[in-house]
Amino acid sequence: AQKVTQAQTEISVVEKEDVTLDCVYETRDTTYYLFWYKQPPSGELVFLIRRNSFDEQNEISGRYSWNFQKSTSSFNFTITASQVVDSAVYFCALIFSGGYNKLIFGAGTRLAVHP
Amino acid sequence: DGGITQSPKYLFRKEGQNVTLSCEQNLNHDAMYWYRQDPGQGLRLIYYSQIVNDFQKGDIAEGYSVSREKKESFPLTVTSAQKNPTAFYLCASSPGVTGTEAFFGQGTRLTVV
Repeated sequence: AQKVTQAQTEISVVEKEDVTLDCVYETRDTTYYLFWYKQPPSGELVFLIRRNSFDEQNEISGRYSWNFQKSTSSFNFTITASQVVDSAVYFCALIFSGGYNKLIFGAGTRLAVHP
Repeated sequence: DGGITQSPKYLFRKEGQNVTLSCEQNLNHDAMYWYRQDPGQGLRLIYYSQIVNDFQKGDIAEGYSVSREKKESFPLTVTSAQKNPTAFYLCASSPGVTGTEAFFGQGTRLTVV
């Protein structure tokens, strides 16, 4: 079965704190793709990053970084020095190779960054 | 500007009515998708289409119907058979190549009154 689990329902931090959003996935496929999306209050989902199963290299983009570990089936997302504009719901998602490019989403983590 | 346009942004439906949600894209993407989002839950797939004139049921297709007569358009009809239609509906498109990211519209919030 293919599944994505985001155990943190809500996280509340004060501005400038670092915060990590957890994502654990399940798939039997050896080829798969992992994604993070941001959903601001306006509602649309904004693509943040894609990782394929053969590339475990961590990635950093400005204040955002992602840690992909196949050994623990995790794809965690860290925001450094959080800002109020980071407040949103963040979704982790999975595409497996036989899945017609259908995204399988976790339940999402609501992040509130307070000034 | 390339993107996905969903309309209307808010929609109210009376019990027993069918309503149609519009989704148009000008990204020249082959694949299009409809997702439903309920409060505190992730997105669940309703229908998807890989090419024109072809579409497949997703995980929660009951009570919904779609058509794909044009590459740019993928309208979703919420029928009276859908017992709990109040939700946020998101349309997405992707180039169709395996593993490529999907791009989303701004969503339609449907409420039954």
